[in-house]
Amino acid sequence: SQKIEQNSEALNIQEGKTATLTCNYTNYSPAYLQWYRQDPGRGPVFLLLIRENEKEKRKERLKVTFDTTLKQSLFHITASQPADSATYLCALGSNDYKLSFGAGTTVTVRA
Amino acid sequence: EAQVTQNPRYLITVTGKKLTVTCSQNMNHEYMSWYRQDPGLGLRQIYYSMNVEVTDKGDVPEGYKVSRKEKRNFPLILESPSPNQTSLYFCASSLTSYYEQYFGPGTRLTVT
Repeated sequence: SQKIEQNSEALNIQEGKTATLTCNYTNYSPAYLQWYRQDPGRGPVFLLLIRENEKEKRKERLKVTFDTTLKQSLFHITASQPADSATYLCALGSNDYKLSFGAGTTVTVRA
Repeated sequence: EAQVTQNPRYLITVTGKKLTVTCSQNMNHEYMSWYRQDPGLGLRQIYYSMNVEVTDKGDVPEGYKVSRKEKRNFPLILESPSPNQTSLYFCASSLTSYYEQYFGPGTRLTVT
């Protein structure tokens, strides 16, 4: 069965450092992959989308890579700030219109 | 303001009492979807709709119904709620499934 795993439930880092989150998948051939941010008690907010034929996408301090051979996406937050503290979700989509989410990684940035 | 609205935001009900959670979007999006979120399990898709009158099952459709009679509305119906449907529910919409999803604020449902 399809499985999406995000590296760890929690990641604690020092302000200014780079946070790297992992999204691994098995038994899946996604056409695209999305990353979302979710704050407590609120709905997820879209951050970045990367398609299967793309290797890397950037948006301000965020960078996403997508390796379909390794079946893995990496999500980087550079020069992290306390305001980046949140839960980050990866989501995989395919041509059947479904979207499947990982359980998320909670990032805490210490000042 | 572009948004997805859900009502109610909080609901406590008893087993077997039919309920409906409404979802509405004002962005003229074709694609709409319902998710439930449980600790440690993440977001799981219940149903989705590619456009009006076209819906399909997600990963966890058992015990739920949906309808899409108008583009802007996508209600979630629980005909006979059970305690295992206690969860946080999110509605989302997008231009198509390939594009960014806009999520509503969530509905916290408790079934006793």
